[in-house]
Amino acid sequence: GAVVSQHPSRVICKSGTSVKIECRSLDFQATTMFWYRQFPKQSLMLMATSNEGSKATYEQGVEKDKFLINHASLTLSTLTVTSAHPEDSSFYICSAERGFAETQYFGPGTRLLVL
Amino acid sequence: AQKITQTQPGMFVQEKEAVTLDCTYDTSDQSYGLFWYKQPSSGEMIFLIYQGSYDEQNATEGRYSLNFQKARKSANLVISASQLGDSAMYFCAMRLAGANNLFFGTGTRLTVIP
Repeated sequence: GAVVSQHPSRVICKSGTSVKIECRSLDFQATTMFWYRQFPKQSLMLMATSNEGSKATYEQGVEKDKFLINHASLTLSTLTVTSAHPEDSSFYICSAERGFAETQYFGPGTRLLVL
Repeated sequence: AQKITQTQPGMFVQEKEAVTLDCTYDTSDQSYGLFWYKQPSSGEMIFLIYQGSYDEQNATEGRYSLNFQKARKSANLVISASQLGDSAMYFCAMRLAGANNLFFGTGTRLTVIP
């Protein structure tokens, strides 16, 4: 199967700081990576779709200046939560697909706690 | 608009028994794919099974099978011979043809009782 990693798995930060989360496809090249957010006991909500070398496409209601996404290579996408606030505390999970509309494989997620 | 509905917030099953997790969907598109993912308490999303809207046979993957009833717009997941390790959240998801983003249901928490 395809392996996707995320780093860090957990992060605690102070309000006002920025946090970067990395998503890597370890054994395949991902044409597209996706970033989701999941609140406790709720479903996954797509935040943005990123393609290597191009700007991310954000879902309605997601602040692009708040959640910066960079997809610098076919195996790495990063999500930076800028000027984090307590309401940004959540579980962030990425996924990657080899080719357009193929099965998405998910990373293990990152739990962010903003104090 | 696309919608995925999972009406069972929680389910219990005895170990070694079979269990069905319900999923209904709503779309006007004719071409789409349906997925089931498992999310253990660790948080990772594990892909279980896929069914294409034009697939004539129900998908099966080991102990997982998908009971696909297109006319009813349902794609229920059947887990046979439940194991304690099957205890987790299960999410049904849909993707439309020509798109690569997934729409997720609200999930069903399955608890396997020894």
